[in-house]
Amino acid sequence: EPEVTQTPSHQVTQMGQEVILRCVPISNHLYFYWYRQILGQKVEFLVSFYNNEISEKSEIFDDQFSVERPDGSNFTLKIRSTKLEDSAMYFCASRVRDRNTEAFFGQGTRLTVV
Amino acid sequence: QKEVEQNSGPLSVPEGAIASLNCTYSDRVSQSFFWYRQYSGKSPELIMSIYSNGDKEDGRFTAQLNKASQYVSLLIRDSQPSDSATYLCAVNIGNTGKLIFGQGTTLQVKP
Repeated sequence: EPEVTQTPSHQVTQMGQEVILRCVPISNHLYFYWYRQILGQKVEFLVSFYNNEISEKSEIFDDQFSVERPDGSNFTLKIRSTKLEDSAMYFCASRVRDRNTEAFFGQGTRLTVV
Repeated sequence: QKEVEQNSGPLSVPEGAIASLNCTYSDRVSQSFFWYRQYSGKSPELIMSIYSNGDKEDGRFTAQLNKASQYVSLLIRDSQPSDSATYLCAVNIGNTGKLIFGQGTTLQVKP
């Protein structure tokens, strides 16, 4: 069964360092998303991406964040200068269309900023 | 302003009982509604989707949607200890397909 895959599963980084989280969405899906979940809190939307551009972003997704689809399969989230409060689980998701279709989540990357 | 609300629980039911999970949402134009199950430290796993008013059944799970009342629920019949998890209600808001999640209801099924 097709699935969304994310790497790495766990990343530890020093405050101020750049991190890149990677995702391979399901192959025939066209809409891609990043969400995050701080420990004990709800899953929060970060950004949606379609047709090689950002279609929507949340208040959390400030200038320190960027997304890219560098080739036909990978979808990346970059955090330029990590802060302690960026520590969270980051989930990639994809869906075939923008609405009335199901979004499938990857297993997540646990980011720990020290 | 909160957009998707769930009772955080925990909701405790005996094995074999029916578990009823509820969710309300504030955006009247929302069209797609989803229930995800999340085990501790894991990612959300899709359980059910529902797009129109009424009931939708899939095995032991039934999703119910009432758009007039802005209410969606999930019933789990014959609850099993393996159903113990946090159940997330998610609502599709806007034109980009983003999901807004509730805070989740923790379900405990006791053997």
